[in-house]
Amino acid sequence: SQKIEQNSEALNIQEGKTATLTCNYTNYSPAYLQWYRQDPGRGPVFLLLIRENEKEKRKERLKVTFDTTLKQSLFHITASQPADSATYLCAFRDDKIIFGKGTRLHILP
Amino acid sequence: GAGVSQSPRYKVAKRGQDVALRCDPISGHVSLFWYQQALGQGPEFLTYFQNEAQLDKSGLPSDRFFAERPEGSVSTLKIQRTQQEDSAVYLCASSLGAGARHGYTFGSGTRLTVV
Repeated sequence: SQKIEQNSEALNIQEGKTATLTCNYTNYSPAYLQWYRQDPGRGPVFLLLIRENEKEKRKERLKVTFDTTLKQSLFHITASQPADSATYLCAFRDDKIIFGKGTRLHILP
Repeated sequence: GAGVSQSPRYKVAKRGQDVALRCDPISGHVSLFWYQQALGQGPEFLTYFQNEAQLDKSGLPSDRFFAERPEGSVSTLKIQRTQQEDSAVYLCASSLGAGARHGYTFGSGTRLTVV
């Protein structure tokens, strides 16, 4: 079955540095990969979508890459701020969207 | 409304009790999804509607779980004879279309605690 893996350990990054989160997938070749942000007590919020023929996608301080050979997506937040602290979920769609477990990111002031 | 609205926000049920969770999607959104999220886990798919048709219910854990969307708008997720393992956050999401190019808009969820 399709599997999507994210580093389950929390990531602590100093404010102002670049945070990089990793998402790996197996047993599937998604045409699209999505990233969401989730704050405690809230539902996930859609951030970015990247297509398989796009190597990189940017939105303000966010950058996502998609390597179909490595079956991996990287999610970068540049010039990180404490307000970026949240859980970040990657997801792809088969016939429904399948989510990873998410990585908790803490930006330390 | 501007977003996906779910009610109640919190629900405490005694084991064996039936519960009904409501989702009001964004007006005009064709697709509606229910997910279950346990603590520290990602959302797990339960079921999917396109308008009033339930196209996929493969994620429903047992026949105690039932979802409906009779008029293609509001949806209700019903859990009969609740058990402790049903305790989780139940998330509803809607989308303009069914394709992967559309991100989902999620509600804040209903936190169900079965005691």
